[in-house]
Amino acid sequence: DTEVTQTPKHLVMGMTNKKSLKCEQHMGHRAMYWYKQKAKKPPELMFVYSYEKLSINESVPSRFSPECPNSSLLNLHLHALQPEDSALYLCASSLLREGTAFFGQGTRLTVV
Amino acid sequence: GENVEQHPSTLSVQEGDSAVIKCTYSDSASNYFPWYKQELGKRPQLIIDIRSNVGEKKDQRIAVTLNKTAKHFSLHITETQPEDSAVYFCAAPAAGNKLTFGGGTRVLVKP
Repeated sequence: DTEVTQTPKHLVMGMTNKKSLKCEQHMGHRAMYWYKQKAKKPPELMFVYSYEKLSINESVPSRFSPECPNSSLLNLHLHALQPEDSALYLCASSLLREGTAFFGQGTRLTVV
Repeated sequence: GENVEQHPSTLSVQEGDSAVIKCTYSDSASNYFPWYKQELGKRPQLIIDIRSNVGEKKDQRIAVTLNKTAKHFSLHITETQPEDSAVYFCAAPAAGNKLTFGGGTRVLVKP
């Protein structure tokens, strides 16, 4: 299995809603990532988990809350988002040393 | 932290011609340099990567070169086809598995 699976593919949420994005991989990768990508821009790193522990938080607002329940799963909890948070949210995973990052298909989030 | 610059931002080529995209990086400790292709509405997909112990790597019509002294690496696509049209990103890792992307190159292959 060389896939990173993300759900849902699309999400529309109001500014007062709470929702979660989910990511799963079964490649034995011990590093998992959340990226945010706006239109016509490169992916922008949000969080890095190494061995299920948060190792990097790129000064992301607290309305985004990551969680890594086990080595295969990564969640991103969303609360009180703003319209400018609308973007494609990409999950990725990699072997810690090798660095080859494999991306999920992303969740296209629209905040209304 | 790592800073990755990518040029050009757009590239239009005739089908069958070659395309070259160049990237520079700042962190001399970086030792792994992947290239991703992203088609409209899809995920970035790894197309080739190169490690710091080699200067060139080829995979069919795609090649990547690395100059560690000058801190730059390039993607070469030969015999371009319409399906090569996409956005291409270079990337370089910084400490802590922090992969930093270049700004992207929008490649258009004209039939």
